[in-house]
Amino acid sequence: SAVISQKPSRDICQRGTSLTIQCQVDSQVTMMFWYRQQPGQSLTLIATANQGSEATYESGFVIDKFPISRPNLTFSTLTVSNMSPEDSSIYLCSVDGTSGVGGNEQYFGPGTRLTVT
Amino acid sequence: GQSLEQPSEVTAVEGAIVQINCTYQTSGFYGLSWYQQHDGGAPTFLSYNALDGLEETGRFSSFLSRSDSYGYLLLQELQMKDSASYFCAVREGSSYKLIFGSGTRLLVRP
Repeated sequence: SAVISQKPSRDICQRGTSLTIQCQVDSQVTMMFWYRQQPGQSLTLIATANQGSEATYESGFVIDKFPISRPNLTFSTLTVSNMSPEDSSIYLCSVDGTSGVGGNEQYFGPGTRLTVT
Repeated sequence: GQSLEQPSEVTAVEGAIVQINCTYQTSGFYGLSWYQQHDGGAPTFLSYNALDGLEETGRFSSFLSRSDSYGYLLLQELQMKDSASYFCAVREGSSYKLIFGSGTRLLVRP
């Protein structure tokens, strides 16, 4: 299994500002995933981040709004840019359980609870 | 595309057995997974079925019927701590992305 930490755990931000969320894994993984989960809702995949290449964004999510960095095999950041109240959500990072290379088991970080006022 | 359907809410009594169903539509099937999420917590992996049949892990079992595009999670000897949301998930095609169902909120009553 992988142990994942996220910073910050929560934040309250003003609209129009940006927040960068950090995700740290205790082992090297090929793929990292960023999800958004609104209260009482399911998880929606924002993007897949591979080390050494551009992140792959899902429909409805764009790089200008959610830029992602993946500088090495244990770390990634997600920035929520030019925030609006609609961005208030929980943001989760995850990694694959099968040595980080594909599979159906993912490990999740504790999440970052973002409130935009 | 992929889609998964689950009941939105299930209520059961402590000590009872509850079944949470999941039906799915996929363009390519690579297995059905189940995740548990307590309020304020992160999703945690429970089980995975790639082949038809029942997989048992302690009080939890998961079943899959690929011909029916259907699976379920069975929770036995329910405890109060089992109150949580439960999500089924499938992998999208040959990618490594997981697509999650809408989730089933389980409330265990004394």
